[in-house]
Amino acid sequence: AQSVTQLDSQVPVFEEAPVELRCNYSSSVSVYLFWYVQYPNQGLQLLLKYLSGSTLVKGINGFEAEFNKSQTSFHLRKPSVHISDTAEYFCAVILNTGGFKTIFGAGTRLFVKA
Amino acid sequence: GAVVSQHPSRVICKSGTSVKIECRSLDFQATTMFWYRQFPKKSLMLMATSNEGSKATYEQGVEKDKFLINHASLTLSTLTVTSAHPEDSSFYICSARESAGVPADTQYFGPGTRLTVL
Repeated sequence: AQSVTQLDSQVPVFEEAPVELRCNYSSSVSVYLFWYVQYPNQGLQLLLKYLSGSTLVKGINGFEAEFNKSQTSFHLRKPSVHISDTAEYFCAVILNTGGFKTIFGAGTRLFVKA
Repeated sequence: GAVVSQHPSRVICKSGTSVKIECRSLDFQATTMFWYRQFPKKSLMLMATSNEGSKATYEQGVEKDKFLINHASLTLSTLTVTSAHPEDSSFYICSARESAGVPADTQYFGPGTRLTVL
């Protein structure tokens, strides 16, 4: 069965510190990988996506993620966070099968402290 | 970027009534639209996928007769929660994709609708 695991439900970090939000997936078919951010009472906004090619993907707001096929991971990183980065972050995969469903991880709450 | 709107943003209704939520793609034609449900502090659960002009495909465990989905045009999909009960209270989010056959085509998400059933 396909699944997406976000290992940390909450990540507290001080402002200007680096952060890594972890994501692992399991799938018997090839996947496309995504990270979304959700601010309170809002929909999801795409941060970045991996489709093919370079395994290091750069997104908006200074975030980047690296696809590691052998470890089936797609961890999200930012070298220096801001208070405004406080939000819920979701890792997601689209299965390369008919219907192309998106499967979301449970989310990681990033809390940036002053 | 592309914009998806949802209306209403919040709705409170009495138990037993029906509620319709609209999802519109404002500046592109959405061949495929998705409806998700999000519980507090939880991830998004896909309820159904709808392609314009076709019947929606519901995920396992989602009641088709309770959650009616209509995708009558390339810019509008509606979700009707029929005979709503308190357990249907949730945050409902739609998303839209321009191409049906391109899996990695970006999904654009609406801002969500908070449904509270009293």
